[in-house]
Amino acid sequence: DIQMTQSPSTLSASVGDRVTITCRASQEISSWLAWYQQKPGKAPKLLLYEAFRLQNGVPSRFSGSGSGTEFTLTISSLQPDDFGTYYCQKYNRYPLTFGGGTTVEI
Amino acid sequence: QVFLVESGGGVVQPGRSLRLSCAASGFTFSRYAMNWVRQAPGKGLDWVAAVSSDGSSEFYTDSVKGRFSISRDNSENTLYLHMNSLRGDDTAVYYCVRDGGIAPSRSDYWGQGTLVTVSS
Repeated sequence: DIQMTQSPSTLSASVGDRVTITCRASQEISSWLAWYQQKPGKAPKLLLYEAFRLQNGVPSRFSGSGSGTEFTLTISSLQPDDFGTYYCQKYNRYPLTFGGGTTVEI
Repeated sequence: QVFLVESGGGVVQPGRSLRLSCAASGFTFSRYAMNWVRQAPGKGLDWVAAVSSDGSSEFYTDSVKGRFSISRDNSENTLYLHMNSLRGDDTAVYYCVRDGGIAPSRSDYWGQGTLVTVSS
């Protein structure tokens, strides 16, 4: 099965910073990658899919790039509401697999 | 507006069974594949199982194959997860999740989750 590896596992940043999270797949997955944000005690929220497509209602400061095996999630200007844990997920075929998560501390 | 409401969680002894339900509303349930995703306390997300829109195809993560069964009742807009031979490492919040496109796809709507605790 394909493994998904995120880095870093934790990052601390300030409001206004540009933040980048990386997700690597152990095999080629084309652009079949999604990003989610999860806040403590809440269900995850879809941010981006097909590596770069922004889900309806998600602020444009979130963007995604990459294809194949390497992907990035970028927050162009970190806001206080952006704290939480971010997960990538590949969905080219079953089993669906999530990365281990990146916790963003403001 | 899409709603997914899970129920059926609780405390269960190792080796016993439990059935989770997910009531769906706000969309045409029969048109979407559905999933269960779980999250152990303090851990990351773990996809568990998926079922096709018509219920004819099922998919499972290796750790639950032969123990869990996913099903759906499109006439009742309800998704199920039948869990047998439960183990301590099945302890988690279980989320009901909708596929956002042609399956497999991104998970565009999530329920609030139901906690399953496997303990003697």
